[in-house]
Amino acid sequence: SAVISQKPSRDICQRGTSLTIQCQVDSQVTMMFWYRQQPGQSLTLIATANQGSEATYESGFVIDKFPISRPNLTFSTLTVSNMSPEDSSIYLCSVTGTVRDTQYFGPGTRLTVL
Amino acid sequence: AQSVTQLDSHVSVSEGTPVLLRCNYSSSYSPSLFWYVQHPNKGLQLLLKYTSAATLVKGINGFEAEFKKSETSFHLTKPSAHMSDAAEYFCVVSDTGTASKLTFGTGTRLQVTL
Repeated sequence: SAVISQKPSRDICQRGTSLTIQCQVDSQVTMMFWYRQQPGQSLTLIATANQGSEATYESGFVIDKFPISRPNLTFSTLTVSNMSPEDSSIYLCSVTGTVRDTQYFGPGTRLTVL
Repeated sequence: AQSVTQLDSHVSVSEGTPVLLRCNYSSSYSPSLFWYVQHPNKGLQLLLKYTSAATLVKGINGFEAEFKKSETSFHLTKPSAHMSDAAEYFCVVSDTGTASKLTFGTGTRLQVTL
């Protein structure tokens, strides 16, 4: 499976600011995803990051709040914009490899908004 | 539409005793099913997956799960619990063979006592 890293691993931010989270994979992957895990909750898919085109967002998530970039097959960013305390969560990226029958997850970014 | 129900939010076992974490699924098609584990302050690690091959699936760290179509279940078991097994466990279903659309259960927290 691919080795996935995320930066930063954690951050504490002030409300109204924005944070960009990076996801780097050590090999080319077909699909990349971004998830949110609110405190004590399960994972919710935010969007699928498409290489070279706009991300595909799930219901309840919008591009203005969570802009996503994927400039190549190994890298993606998620920005959490105009943050509020309700955005305090763990944000995880995941990927599928060439077989595409399994998702592998990064270590996550723990975000606290004050 | 696909969904997954984890029947227990919290399970407590003694070290050395068997573990049973229960999961029922609903899927319109022939599903792929996964168990992931999340240790405190860590990302998600794939334990095992079922993708229409053998119904008894063996995973890492001595865990296994059996796909029972008649019962729409995919329970996770381990013969003997270890302290290091204490974590959050997620049952996950995908309708598509590409694992591009995962639906997560709400999670089961496994506590292992001496």
